[in-house]
Amino acid sequence: DAGVIQSPRHEVTEMGQEVTLRCKPISGHNSLFWYRQTMMRGLELLIYFNNNVPIDDSGMPEDRFSAKMPNASFSTLKIQPSEPRDSAVYFCASSSARGAGEKLFFGSGTQLSVL
Amino acid sequence: RKEVEQDPGPFNVPEGATVAFNCTYSNSASQSFFWYRQDCRKEPKLLMSVYSSGNEDGRFTAQLNRASQYISLLIRDSKLSDSATYLCVVGGGATNKLIFGTGTLLAVQP
Repeated sequence: DAGVIQSPRHEVTEMGQEVTLRCKPISGHNSLFWYRQTMMRGLELLIYFNNNVPIDDSGMPEDRFSAKMPNASFSTLKIQPSEPRDSAVYFCASSSARGAGEKLFFGSGTQLSVL
Repeated sequence: RKEVEQDPGPFNVPEGATVAFNCTYSNSASQSFFWYRQDCRKEPKLLMSVYSSGNEDGRFTAQLNRASQYISLLIRDSKLSDSATYLCVVGGGATNKLIFGTGTLLAVQP
């Protein structure tokens, strides 16, 4: 089992640029989560999907953030335009259950630095 | 008030010591509780679930107190390899999503 795969591992970009983060969940998992982690705020849930459908996007900071899940094996998180305060580690996680009941499997994360 | 609160630490303990972490949560409707472990520059990984009756996994014991809305993690006979950040996670209720605490840093010293 390859686990949750995220790319890129590191992204350095300039303010105003578009950033796209990618995630491949574990095969067979039907829930996918995007988290952001910073020292000050810890792990924050941005959005989660169940069976490719966005269920709760209340954690998405603002309109600059968007997420898609076109099929069961792929999701993207896009930031356009990026700002320095978006610098963080972005984790994708998947689960075999809906919502809060089951174990989450995390990817290795994308370290984003916006200069 | 944060939904899930933890003492950030760090907890510096010698090898072999017993150490305990507490975590409080604000949503009384929460139904699922977990402890995750996160090593430096790595992703979080599930350490153990927390059940109402309390549960034990080797040197680790987790307990839940619904009346006071806190969960705890006890580590006995600490090892150097236990050094990590321990994240308290609470889920369920109306939002039906997992909320992570900011973590407690444990450093086990030789």
